[in-house]
Amino acid sequence: AQSVTQLGSHVSVSEGALVLLRCNYSSSVPPYLFWYVQYPNQGLQLLLKYTSAATLVKGINGFEAEFKKSETSFHLTKPSAHMSDAAEYFCAVSDHGDSSYKLIFGSGTRLLVRP
Amino acid sequence: NAGVTQTPKFRVLKTGQSMTLLCAQDMNHEYMYWYRQDPGMGLRLIHYSVGEGTTAKGEVPDGYNVSRLKKQNFLLGLESAAPSQTSVYFCASSYWAGDGMNTEAFFGQGTRLTVV
Repeated sequence: AQSVTQLGSHVSVSEGALVLLRCNYSSSVPPYLFWYVQYPNQGLQLLLKYTSAATLVKGINGFEAEFKKSETSFHLTKPSAHMSDAAEYFCAVSDHGDSSYKLIFGSGTRLLVRP
Repeated sequence: NAGVTQTPKFRVLKTGQSMTLLCAQDMNHEYMYWYRQDPGMGLRLIHYSVGEGTTAKGEVPDGYNVSRLKKQNFLLGLESAAPSQTSVYFCASSYWAGDGMNTEAFFGQGTRLTVV
């Protein structure tokens, strides 16, 4: 079964600094990959998704992620953090075969942005 | 367009009480899911459905039951609530991409449940 690992439960950056949130998946076959954002007391909102069309995926709010098959990674980046980016971020992957309709989530990374 | 709507948004239950959480989606999606979110554990799948009249167990199904009598609705039931079921519950729906893989899920706003 698929699994997703997010390194770092909390990441703190200064406003204007680079944001890097890490995500690694377990499958040897490239799956569909997603990044979601959750603002306080809200549901999850899709930031971006990888569906094999392009390895560099651009999402909303200036975020992007690069799919690297050799590293089984799908790290999320943003060149310059804004205070409004403070939220929890979840990486997710679609499972394969008979369970391909299930999304498997990582444990989440809370992004703190310092003024 | 409402998307995915969950009711209620908040609920406090006493141990042993029962309740039903309702999820409704207006996007004609085939797949629907119930997740629970607990600090430091991400989202864990409770039950899911791949179509009207079908349900299946996820990672943490014990203590919960579900039903999908209509395509647009997915109900989550707690027959005898326990403090360990205190959590935030999210419903989601998704659609088939057509190439053997799923696509993104659309989430409701969540239900915050406290069992005392």
